[in-house]
Amino acid sequence: KNQVEQSPQSLIILEGKNCTLQCNYTVSPFSNLRWYKQDTGRGPVSLTIMTFSENTKSNGRYTATLDADTKQSSLHITASQLSDSASYICVVGNTNAGKSTFGDGTTLTVKP
Amino acid sequence: GAVVSQHPSRVICKSGTSVKIECRSLDFQATTMFWYRQFPKQSLMLMATSNEGSKATYEQGVEKDKFLINHASLTLSTLTVTSAHPEDSSFYICSAAVAPAFGELFFGEGSRLTVL
Repeated sequence: KNQVEQSPQSLIILEGKNCTLQCNYTVSPFSNLRWYKQDTGRGPVSLTIMTFSENTKSNGRYTATLDADTKQSSLHITASQLSDSASYICVVGNTNAGKSTFGDGTTLTVKP
Repeated sequence: GAVVSQHPSRVICKSGTSVKIECRSLDFQATTMFWYRQFPKQSLMLMATSNEGSKATYEQGVEKDKFLINHASLTLSTLTVTSAHPEDSSFYICSAAVAPAFGELFFGEGSRLTVL
């Protein structure tokens, strides 16, 4: 069964600190892995998308890594800002089904 | 990036009425659109997959007669919640893709439905 598990479920950090969110998946055959940021009451916004051959991809203060062998990904946020408070969702694409499997998300709260 | 517009962003209706939500890809043609439902503090739950010109494919447990999906063109898909009841109150989100298996998913801003 295709699954995406994210950890931690929620995280509270102080402004300016770094944090790392984890995503483990069992989706097969793998197509791509995407990280999204979803603010409360808004639609998800893409942060990064990685294919099988990519190990790391950055988007400003967001850096995603992918280990296709262990089927793990991480999203690292540096120098956090209050506006980083949101839900971060890991989504893995399945080549066969043309569908994506969503993780339950990590809720990040950045406090001043 | 590509823009997906969803309308209305908020809608309040009486129980028993039907509500239509539109999802438009503004600057690209989407071969596939997806509809999701999201409850507070939960992740997105896929309701159905919609391909232009064909019937939508519904996920298990989603009533196709309750949630009517029409994908009449490559830039527009609609979700109609028929005979809405308070339990249908939720946040509905659409996404659009050119090649959903390989490419990016672009999400709409979501529509908050409240059924009184």
